[in-house]
Amino acid sequence: DQQVKQNSPSLSVQEGRISILNCDYTNSMFDYFLWYKKYPAEGPTFLISISSIKDKNEDGRFTVFLNKSAKHLSLHIVPSQPGDSAVYFCAASAKSGNQFYFGTGTSLTVIP
Amino acid sequence: GAVVSQHPSRVICKSGTSVKIECRSLDFQATTMFWYRQFPKQSLMLMATSNEGSKATYEQGVEKDKFLINHASLTLSTLTVTSAHPEDSSFYICSAAIRPSIGRAFFGQGTRLTVV
Repeated sequence: DQQVKQNSPSLSVQEGRISILNCDYTNSMFDYFLWYKKYPAEGPTFLISISSIKDKNEDGRFTVFLNKSAKHLSLHIVPSQPGDSAVYFCAASAKSGNQFYFGTGTSLTVIP
Repeated sequence: GAVVSQHPSRVICKSGTSVKIECRSLDFQATTMFWYRQFPKQSLMLMATSNEGSKATYEQGVEKDKFLINHASLTLSTLTVTSAHPEDSSFYICSAAIRPSIGRAFFGQGTRLTVV
């Protein structure tokens, strides 16, 4: 049972434009969400997080939006750069611990 | 930021042999470590959670006798794939976290295991 879903397996965006990656979850107990970036044959690296008490968190070019009622979060990257090309995973965690549930990932390609 | 080192990054082994993968937290004490597995074009799947000094908790469907996890110290966890088969070929990733803070876990670089 996939509790965290990323329905778009891939996304292509022109350099300089905005990239929007989406993530949906089903478990209402999730209260902490993260986005990770992963290059091929490497481990994921942390990008940005948001807790359920907020609806937006911004860090440089990256902004995460959380819509709790819709159980939906999104990652905005603006402006997109070719180096942003990677697979992006969203992950969710419940209060009970550090265990994360990952989405299936969205492969972002930023075209120069 | 915190560093988690995973070794080896790549390993090829013969069917029936065992392979050990190490995961070390280099500059912090990780009370909890997680082991994930990723199949091509699929999500990271949690295999097990280990707390220092206690037995690992395995996710449903993960054979604990096949995937032996040892978390003997606050900086080291090992995953041993016993009697490896070609279907065990995958990308294995560990992550380490510090209790009680939730949220940010630090990931190792991953290990590409190929069983021939």
